[in-house]
Amino acid sequence: AQKVTQAQTEISVVEKEDVTLDCVYETRDTTYYLFWYKQPPSGELVFLIRRNSFDEQNEISGRYSWNFQKSTSSFNFTITASQVVDSAVYFCALSEAYGGSQGNLIFGKGTKLSVKP
Amino acid sequence: DAGVTQSPTHLIKTRGQQVTLRCSPKSGHDTVSWYQQALGQGPQFIFQYYEEEERQRGNFPDRFSGHQFPNYSSELNVNALLLGDSALYLCASSTTYRGDTQYFGPGTRLTVL
Repeated sequence: AQKVTQAQTEISVVEKEDVTLDCVYETRDTTYYLFWYKQPPSGELVFLIRRNSFDEQNEISGRYSWNFQKSTSSFNFTITASQVVDSAVYFCALSEAYGGSQGNLIFGKGTKLSVKP
Repeated sequence: DAGVTQSPTHLIKTRGQQVTLRCSPKSGHDTVSWYQQALGQGPQFIFQYYEEEERQRGNFPDRFSGHQFPNYSSELNVNALLLGDSALYLCASSTTYRGDTQYFGPGTRLTVL
């Protein structure tokens, strides 16, 4: 069965600290896609990154970086030097190419990040 | 370039009523997906529309139905509303390529009293 687990329900850090949000996924598909979305208090889901199952290269975008490891079925997200504007709920999601979900997104329960000044 | 738009922003209904939510996809997108997000939970997939047909459906009862128009916009209809239908309803658009990124609208907050 397809599943995304975000074990951290809430994380609180002080500004400028680094923080890592964990994501573990389950799928039987060999072709799949992983995503991270940010949901600020306004409610809109903002796309951050997409990764396909054949590309295990880590990615860095400014203060954000992502570590994809197929061996541990993990796709973790790190924010370096966190800022108050990073406060939001972050969702990890899985989409399968051929499995039961076939293109729809399966979300984790989210991690609420609070960055205090 | 306009993103995904949804209307209305907020809606209050009573049990047993019917509701229609609307979504316009991002320019260049032809596939629309709907999700329900209960408070404190991740979004749950309701269904996806492509070429005016329901292509895929999640684990939601038949009270939830939809439609896609020739201009790719979409509606979500919910009949016989229950208290448990209170949630944020999110629309996402993408191309038909299954691995494509889904871009979300601001959502419609539905409250059922």
